[in-house]
Amino acid sequence: GAGVSQSPSNKVTEKGKDVELRCDPISGHTALYWYRQSLGQGLEFLIYFQGNSAPDKSGLPSDRFSAERTGGSVSTLTIQRTQQEDSAVYLCASSFQGGRGHEQYFGPGTRLTVT
Amino acid sequence: AQTVTQSQPEMSVQEAETVTLSCTYDTSENNYYLFWYKQPPSRQMILVIRQEAYKQQNATENRFSVNFQKAAKSFSLKISDSQLGDTAMYFCAFMWSEGTSYGKLTFGQGTILTVHP
Repeated sequence: GAGVSQSPSNKVTEKGKDVELRCDPISGHTALYWYRQSLGQGLEFLIYFQGNSAPDKSGLPSDRFSAERTGGSVSTLTIQRTQQEDSAVYLCASSFQGGRGHEQYFGPGTRLTVT
Repeated sequence: AQTVTQSQPEMSVQEAETVTLSCTYDTSENNYYLFWYKQPPSRQMILVIRQEAYKQQNATENRFSVNFQKAAKSFSLKISDSQLGDTAMYFCAFMWSEGTSYGKLTFGQGTILTVHP
């Protein structure tokens, strides 16, 4: 079946602009995660959605970052007023259920470059 | 908060030989999960192997096996009969089984493995 998809695969934006990154999880997966991969910080957790529960936003680095998950499926990560330090690969993952050691299936990522 | 440390930024191995990647972690929890993920140049993260902390038996998946030492908080990955397709960055990751950090992965810094023909 189809895996996790993300769009766009690459995004170049000017400093100060807003960007939206999209994630389509595997159908039937109730948990969805966003991670960020950068040279300086490695792989870091951003936000986690589990079913209808309030999302765990503890990894969002600033209030310029927000995410939504509509209808328990597609998720959008929005970065407002982008800064150069936001340049990174943004990875989305989904799993059948949250936690419990369930495998997280990752998408190919969106490479964001802020100029 | 838990931390995961991979002390080997880069490793190399000859095709068909065996290599071991190291990982240590720090947690005060008793119930958790540990993972090794592989990220080839295509950027797609793929699960290699998973270990449940309450299980004493080391996990094995074909050519991949782990040495899980709970008391030492060590979780190394052994790759036997290395293949060119094993060339990738390998991440060790930790997941709490309960509590406020339930579900999310904490990753180590990664080890770049190169398999030479």
